[in-house]
Amino acid sequence: QSVLTQPPSVSAAPGQKVTISCSGSNSNIEKNYVSWYQQFPGTAPKLLIYDNNQRPSGIPDRISGSKSGTSATLGISGLQTGDEADYYCGTWDSSLNIGIFGGGTKLTVL
Amino acid sequence: QVSLQESGPGLVKPSETLSLTCSVSNGSISFYYWSWIRQFPGKGLEWIGYVLYSGSHIYNPSLKSRVTISVDTSQNQFSLKLNSVTAADTAMYYCARGRLGVVPFDYWGQGALVTVSS
Repeated sequence: QSVLTQPPSVSAAPGQKVTISCSGSNSNIEKNYVSWYQQFPGTAPKLLIYDNNQRPSGIPDRISGSKSGTSATLGISGLQTGDEADYYCGTWDSSLNIGIFGGGTKLTVL
Repeated sequence: QVSLQESGPGLVKPSETLSLTCSVSNGSISFYYWSWIRQFPGKGLEWIGYVLYSGSHIYNPSLKSRVTISVDTSQNQFSLKLNSVTAADTAMYYCARGRLGVVPFDYWGQGALVTVSS
């Protein structure tokens, strides 16, 4: 069971916006930066968002991140079929002193 | 563009030691944190631990008694050893670089599937 809680799946139509939540606690999300990763089947995770809302070079601005208290949210607007993937949140837990991840959310673009 | 590549046996017998190496290309292993992360068949991700270029490290307490992560700066490589493995250690093992800290992970290897079976 993951320390960070994500919904198992979300779905939306092409062109729409979807949000994926990540819930934690005051020892992880509240105290530390949150990152988000995208993973296609058979490939390694790829960094999408770091430091709560920063995009690495090459990540389009229709990808966004935010954090409030013990929760974080990934937003993807202008959905494309190519966005269908698993998405994971991650951060550091200052009490456990470990890196932690959410259980992952499967995005389906209907 | 930094590139990471895992290498090592894909099949390990129960009670034996899993050994993997991560080779770093197009970038120095110095001044960064280097982690091992595994992904179970059910898709959950677990952080195993990190090593800094200096050799200092922190391991996940759930694996601490079985894990060793070491670095070889002369070869631009770092390694994972997990001893006394069981079927529960069957997973895809990734090496990854920490972006200016332990987390987040900005570069990942392609992964090495390790199966524990007799």
